[in-house]
Amino acid sequence: EAQVTQNPRYLITVTGKKLTVTCSQNMNHEYMSWYRQDPGLGLRQIYYSMNVEVTDKGDVPEGYKVSRKEKRNFPLILESPSPNQTSLYFCASRRTSSYNEQFFGPGTRLTVL
Amino acid sequence: EDQVTQSPEALRLQEGESSSLNCSYTVSGLRGLFWYRQDPGKGPEFLFTLYSAGEEKEKERLKATLTKKESFLHITAPKPEDSATYLCAVRGGGADGLTFGKGTHLIIQP
Repeated sequence: EAQVTQNPRYLITVTGKKLTVTCSQNMNHEYMSWYRQDPGLGLRQIYYSMNVEVTDKGDVPEGYKVSRKEKRNFPLILESPSPNQTSLYFCASRRTSSYNEQFFGPGTRLTVL
Repeated sequence: EDQVTQSPEALRLQEGESSSLNCSYTVSGLRGLFWYRQDPGKGPEFLFTLYSAGEEKEKERLKATLTKKESFLHITAPKPEDSATYLCAVRGGGADGLTFGKGTHLIIQP
């Protein structure tokens, strides 16, 4: 089954404790990205990657890091999480052509205390 | 800067009562307008892509249309299982990501 998977699905942590949210896709998509979704603000892009070893900032990159060492994986790293990073996070992927639709993962609900 | 505005924010309908959701957008060089459905606590599920004014696409009770300034998602004779938040997004010429609207929360009452 073609899908985007994320882990963990739920995470409660404390300020300053480094964490990684994993994302994997099995569709051989070149493009992957991370979004966060907040009430009243909608979905906003954090980082994206056009292909292996190629990453770039989205609209809200502050406080996040990403890496793309393999085509299928695109982890999101919070080196020193803060309460304002409490949010619902989605990973997405698509084929290279910008006209193609994006497929989203199931989401990771993160709470930073 | 690309902008997407969806209206209404919320809509409550009776089962079988047809209606339309609106997505107004401003973008330089549209490379696609996308409709997604999102159920609570889940990831957005792709519905349609529209590329040019005049284009229409249908899927079951849903029909999406596009003009140069807005898109409509028409829902005909909806059922309770159509209850969800419907998201509209655009991809413009200057950005590679999607710019999303805040969504329309649709409730279909039996």
